[in-house]
Amino acid sequence: AQKITQTQPGMFVQEKEAVTLDCTYDTSDQSYGLFWYKQPSSGEMIFLIYQGSYDEQNATEGRYSLNFQKARKSANLVISASQLGDSAMYFCAMRGAPSNDYKLSFGAGTTVTVRA
Amino acid sequence: DSGVTQTPKHLITATGQRVTLRCSPRSGDLSVYWYQQSLDQGLQFLIQYYNGEERAKGNILERFSAQQFPDLHSELNLSSLELGDSALYFCASSVEGQGVYTQYFGPGTRLTVL
Repeated sequence: AQKITQTQPGMFVQEKEAVTLDCTYDTSDQSYGLFWYKQPSSGEMIFLIYQGSYDEQNATEGRYSLNFQKARKSANLVISASQLGDSAMYFCAMRGAPSNDYKLSFGAGTTVTVRA
Repeated sequence: DSGVTQTPKHLITATGQRVTLRCSPRSGDLSVYWYQQSLDQGLQFLIQYYNGEERAKGNILERFSAQQFPDLHSELNLSSLELGDSALYFCASSVEGQGVYTQYFGPGTRLTVL
């Protein structure tokens, strides 16, 4: 079974600054995937970025980057140059081994508020 | 827009009633997943279908059932509704066999049980 821990319930960040959202995970699978999703106040879940357990490079997608430290079992999301539209709830999620576990297990989420 | 559609967007009903939530996956996606998001339980996986067949079950109550039809759309049926079933229900879809299996979520159906 996978477990995802997000210890920061809420964070404030100044516009144009960077923010790091913490995510630690626990799994016995050798192959797994880590995802970050954004949930604005409107409610939809928006996929942001993916990191595979065997990927040697940290994933990046525009202003989003994933700081993957496999030995520490952490997959922190970094949002650079924050914008007001980044204010939302952010969820870290994990998928287990592709051959037998396709579901996503989610953390509790971190609310980010960007201040002008 | 993820390409996943869900109807209805909002649903208000009474305890004891039965409702059906509908989901159409992205074009080409064979897998459909259902998740429940509530304040006390967070986001929980309910059930997965792949090309019409049930593939995995999570914390789905016996009062809940789902199916995936030949055109790949899926329905989640919730019966004997209780106040605690009030939640945001998401459908997600993914492509199989391409390694990443990113799940793209629909806009959700917000269910309120009064």
